[in-house]
Amino acid sequence: NAGVTQTPKFQVLKTGQSMTLQCAQDMNHNSMYWYRQDPGMGLRLIYYSASEGTTDKGEVPNGYNVSRLNKREFSLRLESAAPSQTSVYFCASSEAWGPGLSYGYTFGSGTRLTVV
Amino acid sequence: GNSVTQMEGPVTLSEEAFLTINCTYTATGYPSLFWYVQYPGEGLQLLLKATKADDKGSNKGFEATYRKETTSFHLEKGSVQVSDSAVYFCALSPIQGAQKLVFGQGTRLTINP
Repeated sequence: NAGVTQTPKFQVLKTGQSMTLQCAQDMNHNSMYWYRQDPGMGLRLIYYSASEGTTDKGEVPNGYNVSRLNKREFSLRLESAAPSQTSVYFCASSEAWGPGLSYGYTFGSGTRLTVV
Repeated sequence: GNSVTQMEGPVTLSEEAFLTINCTYTATGYPSLFWYVQYPGEGLQLLLKATKADDKGSNKGFEATYRKETTSFHLEKGSVQVSDSAVYFCALSPIQGAQKLVFGQGTRLTINP
């Protein structure tokens, strides 16, 4: 099925460990996003990529890095995991980038990360 | 700046009850407006959208009307089912600046049989 695929679905890390969350979309979308979802906090944007070759910080970028590997793939890296990064992480994509557009996002099913 | 405010949850209703989840927004001009739904253990799915004033978005029995005069986009359903239990997010797409969806905090809905 077409859509956004995230791996892994679950992960437990020890404090200080590193890992990369993978995201791939097969809809030929130009823009991709990483969000975290915490209880009572809604969705917060970590990083986004308006188009292949570009990345920008969102609301909560500290402790994360991203790579837009190609048009399909957008990865999120935690270099030294902390308990505060325990969260559910969602990748999303959209057709285009620009003001006034009515494109919605397509979301992946999420990665549930626990840092102990 | 751009912001979305949703009614606080959780909301608990009985099956076949009428549902309203309030959503108001702050933005310049006429942003596009969206409702997303998140079922347990899943990602967000687009439920409906409206792109200009007085537009009505609808899907799966849910409706929302874009009201510019009250800057609102309330979600309604005439008769809810147990399967509608989920978290609902209101969002807007600004017309100026970066094309990033701005989400409300989400409203958890539980429908009891």
